[in-house]
Amino acid sequence: QITLEESGPTLVKPTQTLTLTCTFSGFSLSTSGVGVAWIRQPPGKALEWLALIYWDDDKRYSPSLKSRLTITKDTSRNQVVLRMANMDPVDTATYYCAHSRPRPVFGVLVPSAVFDYWGQGTLVTVSS
Amino acid sequence: DIQMTQSPSSLSASVGDRVTITCQASQDITKYLNWYQQKPGKAPKLLIYDASNLETGVPSRFSGSGSGTDFTFTISSLQPEDIATYYCQQYDSLPPFFGPGTKVDIK
Repeated sequence: QITLEESGPTLVKPTQTLTLTCTFSGFSLSTSGVGVAWIRQPPGKALEWLALIYWDDDKRYSPSLKSRLTITKDTSRNQVVLRMANMDPVDTATYYCAHSRPRPVFGVLVPSAVFDYWGQGTLVTVSS
Repeated sequence: DIQMTQSPSSLSASVGDRVTITCQASQDITKYLNWYQQKPGKAPKLLIYDASNLETGVPSRFSGSGSGTDFTFTISSLQPEDIATYYCQQYDSLPPFFGPGTKVDIK
């Protein structure tokens, strides 16, 4: 059974760096094709994909936020960490982490962005 | 980057009605489209992948179709528990952007 749980501060001040941790179980981030993504959702608004890290340490970022984001993994601890620099009130949102499962291509599992398991999310408010 | 649009942005329908949502990609994504359901205060749930494949355990009243740039999500008979916002998401290439969502409620 795959589970994911986000943890981190609920309140950050403008200009600070947000650090969120996704702790997961039921899968290994050393398995070929597997990834963990971060997605956020401002109150009342749509989902926004932020970043993805794959089993081979390939890292991808949202183009609009790339300069502010860093995603890392600790395979031994089953954790993925997202750092977002220079936080602003518009970054107030619920932040989710999600498992990305690989897809089969001619019998070989390749990385994809199918988010089949999600954490419950953590609300981060940016305010002075 | 591939952008996603959805229509309508919201709809109201009666229990038992057939509900259809459309999603359009800014370029060809072949079949690489997911549909998610998000109930208020909850995390999104994957319903359909590869445009038309039902995720395990998802009721058969949900279905998806389409390929290329135009896709459709259908609820064949709307149930009260289907009240939610539905999002499409492409994964043909990164970044895997989501559509803006369609909010479905009961008339």
